[in-house]
Amino acid sequence: DVVMTQSPLALPVTLGQPASISCTSSQSLVYSDGNTYLNWFQQRPGQSPRRLIYKVSDRDSGVPDRISGSGSGTDFTLKISRVEAEDVGIYYCMQGTHWPPTFGQGTRVEIK
Amino acid sequence: QVQLVESGGGVVQPGRSLRLSCVASGFTFSIYAMHWVRQAPGKGLEWVAAISSDETTIDYAESVKGRFTISRDNSLNTLYLQMSSLTPEDTAVYYCAKQSGLGIAIAGPGAWGQGTLVTVSS
Repeated sequence: DVVMTQSPLALPVTLGQPASISCTSSQSLVYSDGNTYLNWFQQRPGQSPRRLIYKVSDRDSGVPDRISGSGSGTDFTLKISRVEAEDVGIYYCMQGTHWPPTFGQGTRVEIK
Repeated sequence: QVQLVESGGGVVQPGRSLRLSCVASGFTFSIYAMHWVRQAPGKGLEWVAAISSDETTIDYAESVKGRFTISRDNSLNTLYLQMSSLTPEDTAVYYCAKQSGLGIAIAGPGAWGQGTLVTVSS
């Protein structure tokens, strides 16, 4: 199975400051159709995961544009340009290119 | 919008069985593959099983293969997970999730339900 490795695992941030989470896959996530199936999920405290980003950089409906995804091949990044209180939670990357789908360990974002 | 409502969780003794259900609405259930994903207390996400829209493709994580059975009833817009020979390591919140796009092999789960807690304990 493809191993997804996130860093850091904990990220204390100041409100209004940027935050960045890295996700690395053990194999390239480029599929034969040319797409890269790398998703980012947010799990707020006490809630189920919610997808924020799909195919590396496409935002789901309702996701603010201060949240963005980038990367290619095996290295991916989720960025929050200005952290707000509602961003507290755990963020997971997930690959859907290779079967079965696999998740990173999660990065806990907290306010300093 | 997509709604997925799981039920059937609870406390069960080791070695016993339990069946989870997930009722879907807000989309055409019969044309999408579906997944079960679990999260042990304080832990990360683990994909458990998936089933194609027409039930011709089914797969399981190694950790549950031979013990869990995923199925669906497209006439009832319902996904199931039959769990048997349960162990304490199966204790988790179980989420059902809709496949991101058509087909099953790529993209993975997109929308998730609120989850149902299964606790395996004597």
